[in-house]
Amino acid sequence: GAGVSQSPSNKVTEKGKDVELRCDPISGHTALYWYRQSLGQGLEFLIYFQGNSAPDKSGLPSDRFSAERTGGSVSTLTIQRTQQEDSAVYLCASSLVPDTQYFGPGTRLTVL
Amino acid sequence: KQEVTQIPAALSVPEGENLVLNCSFTDSAIYNLQWFRQDPGKGLTSLLLIQSSQREQTSGRLNASLDKSSGRSTLYIAASQPGDSATYLCAVGENNRLAFGKGNQVVVIP
Repeated sequence: GAGVSQSPSNKVTEKGKDVELRCDPISGHTALYWYRQSLGQGLEFLIYFQGNSAPDKSGLPSDRFSAERTGGSVSTLTIQRTQQEDSAVYLCASSLVPDTQYFGPGTRLTVL
Repeated sequence: KQEVTQIPAALSVPEGENLVLNCSFTDSAIYNLQWFRQDPGKGLTSLLLIQSSQREQTSGRLNASLDKSSGRSTLYIAASQPGDSATYLCAVGENNRLAFGKGNQVVVIP
C-alpha cells in the first residue's frame, strides 16, 4: 500500500476485556515498530520486529501485552485484561532498517 | 536510558517569522535523528532524517542540524506560515528504536 495503515482507528472497550490492534506496514519494509502515546506523555517504544521475529520487546509494559507478525507483513498487538491506564494512542511504524520510520495514523484505545 | 528534551514546550509566532526549535539528548551514541510533525488527532509525518555522520539536512523551508558531541539538534523553519501550526517531535534513533521528546507545540498567527 501507499502508507502504513492501522485498524481500528478508534476502539472503546470495557476494563478486563481483550483487544487486538492491527498494523499493515508499507510493502517491502522489513522492520516494524509499535509505540504508545499516552495523554501528557511522550511516545514510548513498545516492540520492534525484523521480519517475523521480535529481537527487542523490552518496551512492553507488562505480560498482558503481546505482539506477533506474520508473513513479514501484518502485525497484531494484543492487550489482555485491559486496564484504564492502557488508554492511549497506539502507533505503528515501518522502515527499511536503518532508515526513516514511517508512521500509521494510530489506533485510539479507550478503556472504560 | 536516553533522555530527549525539547524546549520550548509551546510557542506562538506571527506569520513570516522564522521558527527555531531545539532538541537535546543525553546519550550521543545514536544512529540518526529524525524530526516529525504531528497534527491534532493524526499520526506522525516525517520531516527530516539526519544520519549520525551528517551535520545537517535541508528540505524546502526546513533545515535541521545535528551536533552529536554536544547532544543537540535544531529544527529551523523559515518564513513560517499558518499551515506550519502543529506539534514538532524530535526522535533519536538507537538500537532499532526511536526515543522521543515531548514535542514543541507551535502556533503561527496569521
